Amino acid sequence: QITLTQQAESLWVSPGEKVSITCRASQSLLYTDGKHYLSWYQQRPGQTTKALIYHASIRTDGVPTRFIGSGSGTEFTLSIEDVQPEDIALYYCLQTLKKPYTFGAGTKLELK
Amino acid sequence: EVQLQESGPGLVKPSQSLSLTCSVTGYSITSNYWGWIRKFPGNKMEWMGYISYSGSTSYNPSLKSRISITRDTSKNQFFLQLNSVTTEDTATYYCARSRGYFDFWGPGTMVTVSS
Repeated sequence: QITLTQQAESLWVSPGEKVSITCRASQSLLYTDGKHYLSWYQQRPGQTTKALIYHASIRTDGVPTRFIGSGSGTEFTLSIEDVQPEDIALYYCLQTLKKPYTFGAGTKLELK
Repeated sequence: EVQLQESGPGLVKPSQSLSLTCSVTGYSITSNYWGWIRKFPGNKMEWMGYISYSGSTSYNPSLKSRISITRDTSKNQFFLQLNSVTTEDTATYYCARSRGYFDFWGPGTMVTVSS
């Protein structure tokens, strides 16, 4: 199965700063349709899990533009520019290229 | 808007079966794919499987023959059954819609396996 590595278990950030969360796959997530099957999710306590990014770089409806997905092949990044207090959450990457679908271990974003 | 809601017992005894329901509103389960995902204590996430718009299923091999996902299209619900549970199946269980990624999720339901 494909392994996703999110190296940072936790990241500390101050409001207004930029932060990047990385996700490395054990094999390329590029499919023959030219799309990468890598998505990002946000989990906040008491809130429903929110899909932020799919196909590595496409924001889902309503997601603020400060959330930016980038990367290709096996290396992907979720960047959050101008971090807001409501961005403090747990973030996961997920690959849906091959079954079993697999998640990264999660990165917890915390306030300094 | 698509909404999903998990329901089921919060406590299951070891060796018994875990049964959960996902009720979907705002969208028919006869379109797209509908999955189950769980989050263990310690935050590890695991995709368990899905049922498709046609009723076909796909499961995580890690769950071997313990898992079954079924549906009732008349009620717009789909179901998870996990047999022979152990304490290692203690987790928060989520249902979600899959369209190449999981775009809508339920709030999750915590299930504890304990005698």
